[in-house]
Amino acid sequence: GAGVSQSPSNKVTEKGKDVELRCDPISGHTALYWYRQSLGQGLEFLIYFQGNSAPDKSGLPSDRFSAERTGGSVSTLTIQRTQQEDSAVYLCASSFDRVMNTEAFFGQGTRLTVV
Amino acid sequence: DAKTTQPPSMDCAEGRAANLPCNHSTISGNEYVYWYRQIHSQGPQYIIHGLKNNETNEMASLIITEDRKSSTLILPHATLRDTAVYYCIVRPQYGNQFYFGTGTSLTVIP
Repeated sequence: GAGVSQSPSNKVTEKGKDVELRCDPISGHTALYWYRQSLGQGLEFLIYFQGNSAPDKSGLPSDRFSAERTGGSVSTLTIQRTQQEDSAVYLCASSFDRVMNTEAFFGQGTRLTVV
Repeated sequence: DAKTTQPPSMDCAEGRAANLPCNHSTISGNEYVYWYRQIHSQGPQYIIHGLKNNETNEMASLIITEDRKSSTLILPHATLRDTAVYYCIVRPQYGNQFYFGTGTSLTVIP
């Protein structure tokens, strides 16, 4: 597809379980971003990948959160031992992130509910 | 750290121009001003960005003051579908994440 694709669109999980959220960026985009948005709140930065550089993990809220990007394309955000406060919409974005092509395009998000 | 200040909410009459202000008084020389919007339950949508010159595209115009400490996003003829939260972001042109603040909730009134 032409846009950023995220899966699943909705995920309900039990407290304590691990979850994996997937992001397929726009083809050729070198930068990939993960954000989360709790109900009625703004976007909270989680992690940023740029090409082969070490990712910026400064936004990850705890060591239960991790992300990887394989082959410079698809990314997976993993939340271990989920807690109820992890319930949010998790948004992924990608961009070329080079001169004249820096705007980021967002997916529709994965709505995570921890019960 | 959002580095921008926006009014929390604004109303605009349908068909009129919507002017959304943003203060970024600590902007650095290599930082651009980006605008995004988020319509309820959707991912944020890119609108426009600029460095120091005014910019215009099919969605909006961006007016940046000469000292670059503030800017205004202009939607020339607001429609009901423009009701959304509008985010003003300052960022180096590349190599960094986008910090979203709390934005301005724009309501277009029929």
